[in-house]
This record gives sequence, C-alpha cells and structure tokens, in this order.
Amino acid sequence: GAVVSQHPSRVICKSGTSVKIECRSLDFQATTMFWYRQFPKQSLMLMATSNEGSKATYEQGVEKDKFLINHASLTLSTLTVTSAHPEDSSFYICSARDSVGSPLHFGNGTRLTVT
Amino acid sequence: GENVEQHPSTLSVQEGDSAVIKCTYSDSASNYFPWYKQELGKGPQLIIDIRSNVGEKKDQRIAVTLNKTAKHFSLHITETQPEDSAVYFCAASSGASNTGKLIFGQGTTLQVKP
Repeated sequence: GAVVSQHPSRVICKSGTSVKIECRSLDFQATTMFWYRQFPKQSLMLMATSNEGSKATYEQGVEKDKFLINHASLTLSTLTVTSAHPEDSSFYICSARDSVGSPLHFGNGTRLTVT
Repeated sequence: GENVEQHPSTLSVQEGDSAVIKCTYSDSASNYFPWYKQELGKGPQLIIDIRSNVGEKKDQRIAVTLNKTAKHFSLHITETQPEDSAVYFCAASSGASNTGKLIFGQGTTLQVKP
C-alpha cells in the first residue's frame, strides 16, 4: 500500500527560529499532499493543500508567510514553520494519495515543541 | 463548507462486546467517507472507507454503514479486542470536487477493557 514518510518525528526549537518538516511519498508519486495540524486531544485541522510545481492553497486563517510549503517534486513536500513561537507547538501531519479517488494515507506526524 | 459531527467522544466497552461510533455530515455533495484509527503519537491509519453509492461495507470485524438521506454514517466494530483501543476519526470529503480534502470529526477515544 501507499506509504507516506515524515521527518523528523520530533523537534524542539527555540522561539524565533524556523523548522522544516519533510513529507515523502515512498512508493508512489503524489501531485497533491495535504498538511494537517493537531492539538492535544483534538481533531485534525487541514492547514493547506500542497500542489507539485505550483503554489500551495491555504485554508482560511492559516498564515501562508508563517507556514511555508514547497512541493518541488512528485515525492516530496516540505512545511517550514518560520519564526516559531510556543503557540506553534503542535503535531503536524502530512497526507497524500497515489491517484485521484484513492484513499489518503498519513505520515506518522512531527511533534514540534517551541521553547 | 462541510461540517462533521462525531459521537460519542469517549466509549468504553468490555472485550468481546461491539462498539459503534456515529458521525453526521452537512454537505450533501460529499461522496467519500473514510474512518481512521490513531494510536498515541502516531499518524492516523485508514481502517475502512465507503463511497456514497454504497450503503454498507464490511471488512472482517469492522463495518461501516451510510445513510445518504439522513447524512450520517457509522463505524461498527464487533468482537472488540484490547488492541482496538485508540482514537477513531470519521471524515468526509469536502464536497464532490474530488480534491482529496477531508474534514474530520472530533474523534472518539475507544477503550476496550480486558
């Protein structure tokens, strides 16, 4: 089945620094990937849709200059949290599908802690 | 836009009993409804899904039913085992555009007591 790999699994950074999270589709090509955010004991909230070769589409209320998304190849999307603050601490999860109409598969998430 | 409501928020059952989780959705154009299981510290794992042209789907101990008219769908787990303990999320596709965007319910924490 489709495998989505996310790296790193955990990261701790200081306030004001930037952090990059990678999402890779290991055995398929993904023209579209999705980035979700999950606070403790809450549901997954869609942040943005990452489109290969074009700009990402952000959900309402998500700052595109704060959460930079780059989808430079058919197997890699990156999310960069710029000038991170403690309130950005969360679980970030990416997902992808191998074709239109196929199920979404999720990575194992990245736990970001900003101190 | 689509809105998904999920109940109950917590569910505790005895091993071997059945568990049922229910979701309602608001957008009649949504046509794809997956269920995910999330274990602590991990990403969600797809366990079963159903499309709007089907009323019921079963995979071993897991089944999902869909009532398009009432706009609700349910997850049924039979013969529950301790390893079924996790958080379960229902989701609905965001409209019929097949973009792949999913709107998630609030989640149900299932505890199966041995």
